Amino acid sequence: DAKTTQPNSMESNEEEPVHLPCNHSTISGTDYIHWYRQLPSQGPEYVIHGLTSNVNNRMASLAIAEDRKSSTLILHRATLRDAAVYYCILRDVTSGSEKLVFGKGTKLTVNP
Amino acid sequence: EAGVAQSPRYKIIEKRQSVAFWCNPISGHATLYWYQQILGQGPKLLIQFQNNGVVDDSQLPKDRFSAERLKGVDSTLKIQPAKLEDSAVYLCASSQTGGLAKNIQYFGAGTRLSVL
Repeated sequence: DAKTTQPNSMESNEEEPVHLPCNHSTISGTDYIHWYRQLPSQGPEYVIHGLTSNVNNRMASLAIAEDRKSSTLILHRATLRDAAVYYCILRDVTSGSEKLVFGKGTKLTVNP
Repeated sequence: EAGVAQSPRYKIIEKRQSVAFWCNPISGHATLYWYQQILGQGPKLLIQFQNNGVVDDSQLPKDRFSAERLKGVDSTLKIQPAKLEDSAVYLCASSQTGGLAKNIQYFGAGTRLSVL
């Protein structure tokens, strides 16, 4: 499985935008970029995923670099509820395996 | 829509005892996963079922861990005998088969196991 690199932790203030980076320099052409987050004492939850183009949904935006070697998850206005560990995961949809390979993720702290 | 249900939420046992965890996936989800999450780490896949067949159990310690998914719905994960290093949160997830939606896994809240 291709690896991702994320900062261990980040801090933001409430109601400000947050940009969570992820490096994946060994990404292959069939790897989708997935983001999940895990709130305290809960299981991970899906946030967003994309292949080449930038993606938006009600939770966040995903900006993917033109060479696909990095991506950024954008929370437009952080709330206290967004404090969580954010995981950037690559999934090769041609591999036949649907498993998620989690790293340690980025722990996001949101200050009031 | 009801989410993935897991029980119990917490379990404390002594080493060498046995323990079982139960998972009920989202209705209609053919694929079910069990993950182990050790404190400070991301979840690690133990086993994946497609209906009631095993797709991937390459990281399941088969000398002590077993899992089944009878009738392709509920699943149980068992540890016998437990070791201290089995202390972790055990997460169950499910996903649909086919279409873009199959890319999304839905997780339960997990069972926190403490082995003393």
